[in-house]
Amino acid sequence: QSVLTQPPSASGAPGQRVTISCSGSSSNIGGNAVNWYQQLPGTAPKLLIYAHNHRPSGVPDRFSASKSGTSASLAISGLQSEDEADYYCSAWDDNLKGYVFGTGTEVTVL
Amino acid sequence: PQLRESGPGLVKPSETLSLTCTVSGGSINTGAYYWAWIRQPPGKGLEWIGTIYHSGSTSYNPSLRSRASMSVDTSKNQFSLKLTSATATDTAVYYCARMAVTLDYWGQGTLVSVSS
Repeated sequence: QSVLTQPPSASGAPGQRVTISCSGSSSNIGGNAVNWYQQLPGTAPKLLIYAHNHRPSGVPDRFSASKSGTSASLAISGLQSEDEADYYCSAWDDNLKGYVFGTGTEVTVL
Repeated sequence: PQLRESGPGLVKPSETLSLTCTVSGGSINTGAYYWAWIRQPPGKGLEWIGTIYHSGSTSYNPSLRSRASMSVDTSKNQFSLKLTSATATDTAVYYCARMAVTLDYWGQGTLVSVSS
């Protein structure tokens, strides 16, 4: 059961900027760090952004994230064909005492 | 570190789904991390199942708490998941993951189908 709400799809031409939103509540995004995952078809989710806007080693700086109140967003600038994937936001939930995930957004490069 | 899930790919309804995660490239017996199970039904989103510490302390998703149990075997560097009374809605790809600041390293996932 997904607690965080994302748009089902987003798209852009190569080189463009795409933004994905993630809406939650005070028990998750409002009070805890937001993380973003990229899932290529048939593979496990890969950590893209953690603690709001930190990138693990190897993740290009084309990926950035922000948070405001109970919402967060992921931006992909300079869109490339290899960015076609599903993207999920995630945050610790104080009520659940576990992680909650977004509904997922499929990014298409036109 | 690397994580790898293993277990039966097919489980009959009402039986117990059992999976093991083997961790390599690092010890599971460290206080720095928790270890988690997450699942993803075909074509759907991710669901956190539960988390275990090397001491054996656990935390479960309330929606699965009555059926889920996790254990850890530090001698084998493994942790496990059991889900009793399986139904078709438990059909999913099951992932194990390491939890530090967040769920940072994931296994490749294993598909478990519940069907007679």
